[in-house]
Amino acid sequence: DTAVSQTPKYLVTQMGNDKSIKCEQNLGHDTMYWYKQDSKKFLKIMFSYNNKELIINETVPNRFSPKSPDKAHLNLHINSLELGDSAVYFCASSQVRGSGSTDTQYFGPGTRLTVL
Amino acid sequence: AQSVTQPDIHITVSEGASLELRCNYSYGATPYLFWYVQSPGQGIQLLLKYFSGDTLVQGIKGFEAEFKRSQSSFNLRKPSVHWSDAAEYFCAVGDTNFGNEKLTFGTGTRLTIIP
Repeated sequence: DTAVSQTPKYLVTQMGNDKSIKCEQNLGHDTMYWYKQDSKKFLKIMFSYNNKELIINETVPNRFSPKSPDKAHLNLHINSLELGDSAVYFCASSQVRGSGSTDTQYFGPGTRLTVL
Repeated sequence: AQSVTQPDIHITVSEGASLELRCNYSYGATPYLFWYVQSPGQGIQLLLKYFSGDTLVQGIKGFEAEFKRSQSSFNLRKPSVHWSDAAEYFCAVGDTNFGNEKLTFGTGTRLTIIP
């Protein structure tokens, strides 16, 4: 019954590798997000997608490529991993309200990425 | 650009004591404001939100927050904390140009509860 789920929960990999994190939501929301939380717990938005269309791209290196195959899924692929990519990555989803704004964001459990 | 300041990095409170976590925001229009809590192993959960209307909003777990436009603040309060309230608390502002599609978070306040 998990609303927003992410896999894997932990990811340990070497520098230079390519890895993906998957996110799925079963809330029927039409907007999904990726956030990065650094070692100081600072949460910063990376991307948002609305109905599979990229809405927000916050100056993230192009090694990061989100992909939304459908409204319920937003995956994050990272090429050529660097030490600085080590962080916790959170997926979230929300629903556009009638006024054109969106409602509360619901977060997944996070994926802890460690790059060695 | 919008921003959120949480001036207290770490707060320690005795169990049963009252709590107030401070949040100041910078935004040109009426903001959408949120408090989220991150507990170990619990993920990130919404405590409460302010979109419009009554400036005192009630949330889950006995928390409340008051929007004060004149002070650009949205402080979180609880009259009596429980040991289970120990967590990281984040204030966030949503960009009303997008709705809350873009959330800007503060740096968080870590709450420790002592017996």
